[in-house]
Amino acid sequence: GAVVSQHPSRVICKSGTSVKIECRSLDFQATTMFWYRQFPKQSLMLMATSNEGSKATYEQGVEKDKFLINHASLTLSTLTVTSAHPEDSSFYICSAIRDSPYEQYFGPGTRLTVT
Amino acid sequence: AQSVAQPEDQVNVAEGNPLTVKCTYSVSGNPYLFWYVQYPNRGLQFLLKYITGDNLVKGSYGFEAEFNKSQTSFHLKKPSALVSDSALYFCAVRGLYGNNRLAFGKGNQVVVIP
Repeated sequence: GAVVSQHPSRVICKSGTSVKIECRSLDFQATTMFWYRQFPKQSLMLMATSNEGSKATYEQGVEKDKFLINHASLTLSTLTVTSAHPEDSSFYICSAIRDSPYEQYFGPGTRLTVT
Repeated sequence: AQSVAQPEDQVNVAEGNPLTVKCTYSVSGNPYLFWYVQYPNRGLQFLLKYITGDNLVKGSYGFEAEFNKSQTSFHLKKPSALVSDSALYFCAVRGLYGNNRLAFGKGNQVVVIP
C-alpha cells in the first residue's frame, strides 16, 4: 500500500529555536496533505491543509506565522514550528491524499519536545 | 458540518470475547466512513472504510464494521479480541460534498485483558 513518511520521528529542541518536520508521500503524488496535532490520549486536531503550489489553509486558532507550511512538490510538505515554546510540545502527524481511488494515508508522526 | 461521536472513553474486553467500538456520525449527503487504529507513539493505521455498496465492510486484522444509515452508525467489531488489539481506535467521516477533510471522533482506548 501507499506509504507516507515523516522525518524526524523524534526531535528535542530548545525554547526559541525553529524545527522543521518533513512529510513525504513515497509512491504517489499528493496535491493535498494535512497536518494534525495530537495531545496525549486525545484525538487528532487538524491544523492546516497543505496544497501543492499554493498557500496552506489554516484552521481557526492556528497561528500561520508560527506554523509555517510549505508544499513545494507533489511528494513533499514541510511544517516548520518557529520560535518553539514548551507548549508546542506535541505529536505532529501528517497525511497525504491520493485522489484516485480516494484514500488518505497517514505518516508515522513526529514527537516534538521543546525544553 | 460533519462530525463523529465515539461515546465511550475506554472499552475493556476479555481476550477471546467479541469487541465492539461504537461510532455515530453526522454529515450532509452520503458519507465516507473510516476506522483507524493507533498504537503508542505511532501514526494512524487504516483498518477499513465504507463508501458505497454492502453495509458490512470487512477490513484488516479480522475487523469489520456495519454501516447503518437509519441509525447513522458505523460500529467497529471483531468476533474474538486479541491482547494485541489493545490500542486507540478512531472513527472518521468525510462528507461527499466538500473538501477531503476528515472529521475524527475523540477516539476509544481498547484494552484487551488476557
